[in-house]
Amino acid sequence: DVKVTQSSRYLVKRTGEKVFLECVQDMDHENMFWYRQDPGLGLRLIYFSYDVKMKEKGDIPEGYSVSREKKERFSLILESASTNQTSMYLCASKGGSTDTQYFGPGTRLTVL
Amino acid sequence: GQSLEQPSEVTAVEGAIVQINCTYQTSGFYGLSWYQQHDGGAPTFLSYNALDGLEETGRFSSFLSRSDSYGYLLLQELQMKDSASYFCAVRGQGGGNKLTFGTGTQLKVEL
Repeated sequence: DVKVTQSSRYLVKRTGEKVFLECVQDMDHENMFWYRQDPGLGLRLIYFSYDVKMKEKGDIPEGYSVSREKKERFSLILESASTNQTSMYLCASKGGSTDTQYFGPGTRLTVL
Repeated sequence: GQSLEQPSEVTAVEGAIVQINCTYQTSGFYGLSWYQQHDGGAPTFLSYNALDGLEETGRFSSFLSRSDSYGYLLLQELQMKDSASYFCAVRGQGGGNKLTFGTGTQLKVEL
């Protein structure tokens, strides 16, 4: 079974703090994704990575950066957290030969 | 850009059949997927259509018409555990690995 884990289920940070969200997958997948999910807006892609050290912007990259130093790990970084970044953050991974994305349990981030 | 439209909410009774529609606008099209998400849970993959027609997986079926930019998810013999949000997603522009998701349909199954 594919397993995607995220470092925290719940996180509370203060405005201006630097925030790191970590995601690890155990299926040797090339592709990894970060989404945020907000009520009524569905899942919106922030960034994705198709290989180590490779990244591409998604639909809403502003205010975020990412890091992929190892194949199994994809990190989302909020350089200076703001209240409008309060959201559910979902990580996903995908193998090269399929269309299926496997999601982690999500991190609910609250920025005060 | 890409956009998808699906109803925000659907209610049905246990044992019934329900259809969740999805229309999309995309530059380039490589397939339509469906994901299920229970409250507090992670989205999980249900089905994928790259070609026109019906794909059946147990009680769930998914249909695609590329000429109409339209697809639907059909759930038969509804069970209470099917109460969840259902998202359609397209792999479009440029192919690659990027999915664009719809805003989701919340399905409520009642007794």
